[in-house]
Amino acid sequence: KAGVTQTPRYLIKTRGQQVTLSCSPISGHRSVSWYQQTPGQGLQFLFEYFSETQRNKGNFPGRFSGRQFSNSRSEMNVSTLELGDSALYLCASSLVDRNLNEQFFGPGTRLTVL
Amino acid sequence: KNQVEQSPQSLIILEGKNCTLQCNYTVSPFSNLRWYKQDTGRGPVSLTIMTFSENTKSNGRYTATLDADTKQSSLHITASQLSDSASYICVVSASGGSYIPTFGRGTSLIVHP
Repeated sequence: KAGVTQTPRYLIKTRGQQVTLSCSPISGHRSVSWYQQTPGQGLQFLFEYFSETQRNKGNFPGRFSGRQFSNSRSEMNVSTLELGDSALYLCASSLVDRNLNEQFFGPGTRLTVL
Repeated sequence: KNQVEQSPQSLIILEGKNCTLQCNYTVSPFSNLRWYKQDTGRGPVSLTIMTFSENTKSNGRYTATLDADTKQSSLHITASQLSDSASYICVVSASGGSYIPTFGRGTSLIVHP
């Protein structure tokens, strides 16, 4: 069974631009969560989607948004990029419940904001 | 404020030796605690998941313990291998509907031959 895939793997943007990252979960998984990982803050939870609905949201500004499609694929968008948005963005999928089921992480998208 | 503290921050051991990583948390109400292994440049991989009623969980050479009274967990690695070199992250989730996870900063483990 294929794992979680994320595209693109690497991205370079400039301040003020916007970016869209994509995540394809493991087949049959319906929950998709997004995380930001930086050297300064470590891993932080962004949001979770289940059945095309945002189920939980972390403490991030409204510039960070996401959505999930009917095939469970998910995208996250960051608008008006800031230097501090440079990070590894990780996507994870689980069968139904992120809190009760095992989560499987993708390799991440490395975003650099110049 | 929910917090997860891990120690040590980094650890260097020789191949074949055992080691124990610590995780203390103040997350409340407690739902579950997870240990992840993250290799450089890759996404985390789940090692163990423990709920309130579980005090030990093993996954091969990895054994996690949980003391919900003292809010402490440990991850014991037996007979370390070079491939164990990675960052080990403790994650605690609160119950009550939101299940927002709180992450520790991780312990960087280096195994030398």
